[in-house]
Amino acid sequence: QVQLQESGPGLVKPSETLSLTCTVSGGSISSSSYYWGWIRQPPGKGLEWIGNIYYSGSTYYNPSLKSRVTISVDMSKKQFSLKLSSVTAADTAVYYCARTFGDSNYLDYWGQGTLVTVSS
Amino acid sequence: DIQMTQSPSSLSASVGDRVTITCRASQSISRYLNWYQQKPGKAPKLLIYAAFSLQSGVPSRFSGSGSGTDFTLTISSLQPEDFATYYCQQSYSNPFTFGPGTKVDIK
Repeated sequence: QVQLQESGPGLVKPSETLSLTCTVSGGSISSSSYYWGWIRQPPGKGLEWIGNIYYSGSTYYNPSLKSRVTISVDMSKKQFSLKLSSVTAADTAVYYCARTFGDSNYLDYWGQGTLVTVSS
Repeated sequence: DIQMTQSPSSLSASVGDRVTITCRASQSISRYLNWYQQKPGKAPKLLIYAAFSLQSGVPSRFSGSGSGTDFTLTISSLQPEDFATYYCQQSYSNPFTFGPGTKVDIK
């Protein structure tokens, strides 16, 4: 059973960079069948797809966030990471990591989510 | 971006009711449409992918239909554990947008 677990600071100051890591267990992060992605959900609101990374390092970002987002992968540690720069209060959200199945791009396994608050 | 809408935004139903939720895309997405269930404080859970394929382990009372721009999620007989918020998501083109959600609560 694949499991994903987010980790990182729960509080980030405005204008700084949000950094989160997702650790994958119970499955291979280097499988050619999957992408690995990030999704966020502001408190009480809907879901927003942030971006994906393939094991080869190819990345796909939401154009609305592309200028501030970097997703990277470390296969040796079975981890992938999110960096979001120049954060504001609007970036306060629960951040989820998830496995994305191939070309169909559905999210079949999710982490439990981690709340990141942007505040001074 | 492809815009996703859902109707209704909320509904009240009783155990045993048949429930139908509609999702509409702003342009054709073929069958690249997925449905998720989210309970308070929990991560979303995949129910249906590619418009009508049931995810492994999901009860058969859940079904999906549609193609192009109009899609439906049906719960044939609502169970107590089904009270939650349901989201559709298009996975046809970047960014993979979600609908605003439909909250199903107890009548």
